[in-house]
Amino acid sequence: QAVLTQPSSLSASPGASASLTCTLRIGINVGSYWIYWFQQKPGSPPRYLLKYKSDSEKKQGSGVPSRFSGSKDASANVGILFISGLQSEDEADYFCMMWHSSAWEFGGGTKLTVL
Amino acid sequence: QVQLVQSGAEVKKPGASVKVSCRASGYTFTSHDFNWVRQATGQGLEWMGWMSPHSGDTGYAQKFQGRVTMTRDTSINTAYMELSSLRSDDTAVYFCARNLPLTGDFDSWGQGTLVTVSS
Repeated sequence: QAVLTQPSSLSASPGASASLTCTLRIGINVGSYWIYWFQQKPGSPPRYLLKYKSDSEKKQGSGVPSRFSGSKDASANVGILFISGLQSEDEADYFCMMWHSSAWEFGGGTKLTVL
Repeated sequence: QVQLVQSGAEVKKPGASVKVSCRASGYTFTSHDFNWVRQATGQGLEWMGWMSPHSGDTGYAQKFQGRVTMTRDTSINTAYMELSSLRSDDTAVYFCARNLPLTGDFDSWGQGTLVTVSS
């Protein structure tokens, strides 16, 4: 079973909000880890968005709008990327990442469609 | 501004090796680690390993142990990733990305290098 699991796709309307989830494998407690988020558009390298561990330990990437934020749901063992006020330019693939067992692990990515 | 510029596309035969370079500018080369991440067409991101340009220390993903070597030349601010015993499923875009040591802040990425493995 993969360390990080993301839904393959998500659709939302312009102006709405979207919550992209990143589920940690059973036995790995989300509360103990930094969760990183990246955005990737076709033909471009990934872009670093933010990292989140707790409300007191988080960091926004340089130039990343405050519409992008991170959180966790400990009861579901997931990391969450929340995007408010969706814009057409937010349509992209989103990847989560964490450090586990001496390796960086990526989720499979979620394709966000804004329509 | 920070820039990571990678070498151009490569076509290799199965069993061969490829060496991809990543030239850094706009910051102190030894202040950040380098990571290599690959992406097959239409697929997700796969981390291959990291290298400290300061010490030369490396750490490789288990999947690539024995086949990948990450090095650097501090005189020209360039990091390298060499992958040997290439197979068709190594066909992918290979990215370099820098990060502050001990963090996953991959805050700058190269443009990617397409490596095609085909007989």
